[in-house]
Amino acid sequence: GQSLEQPSEVTAVEGAIVQINCTYQTSGFYGLSWYQQHDGGAPTFLSYNALDGLEETGRFSSFLSRSDSYGYLLLQELQMKDSASYFCAVRGYQLIWGAGTKLIIKP
Amino acid sequence: NAGVTQTPKFRVLKTGQSMTLLCAQDMNHEYMYWYRQDPGMGLRLIHYSVGEGTTAKGEVPDGYNVSRLKKQNFLLGLESAAPSQTSVYFCASSGQARTDTQYFGPGTRLTVL
Repeated sequence: GQSLEQPSEVTAVEGAIVQINCTYQTSGFYGLSWYQQHDGGAPTFLSYNALDGLEETGRFSSFLSRSDSYGYLLLQELQMKDSASYFCAVRGYQLIWGAGTKLIIKP
Repeated sequence: NAGVTQTPKFRVLKTGQSMTLLCAQDMNHEYMYWYRQDPGMGLRLIHYSVGEGTTAKGEVPDGYNVSRLKKQNFLLGLESAAPSQTSVYFCASSGQARTDTQYFGPGTRLTVL
C-alpha cells in the first residue's frame, strides 16, 4: 500500500530550530514536496526534493534520503508566523499527502 | 494574475441536492486537481486532469464527477450530496506533474445537512 507518516504536532520556541520528519511507502517515487497551510487558508508550496540531499530556501531546508524512504523539513530562526500545519506529499504513481504536522510556536 | 480561483467560497446543501464547484486558473497550466480536506486531516485527491478534455480518478472519486471542457476551468459536481461530503474542497493546478509545485485556490467550504 501507499502511506506517509509525519508527527501530528510539534512544539518549539520562537527563534529555535525545528525538524519535521516524513517517512513514506509508495508505488514508484518521483519526489517529495512540502507545503505550508495556515488555519483557514490554502496550502502553499515550500520545497521539492527529487534527489537525495538538502535543498535550502532561506530559513527553510528540506532533506531527502531515497534509500531510507525518509525526508524532513527544517525550519530555522522560528517566527510566530511559522505557526501552521506542514504537509509532506509524495509523488509516486499518484500524489499522496501526509496528514500534516501542526507546528505550535511559543514565545 | 489571479492565480487559481474557486466559486463559491461557502455553500450549504441539503441531502440529495446537487451542485457544481468551479475552478479557474490563468497560468496556462496543463494539470488541475480537486481535493477534499476534512478537519485535522491531509488532502485527499478526488479527481484530476492532465489536460483539456481529460479527467482521471484520484483516491476518493465516489459521489463526484468532473469535467475539463476548457483548459482554464475544472468543474467538480456533486449529483446527490450526502453529509459525508461535508468538507473543504480545494482546487489546484500545476504546470508539470512530476515537479508538483501545485498552486491552490482559496477553497470552498461545503456543509451538507
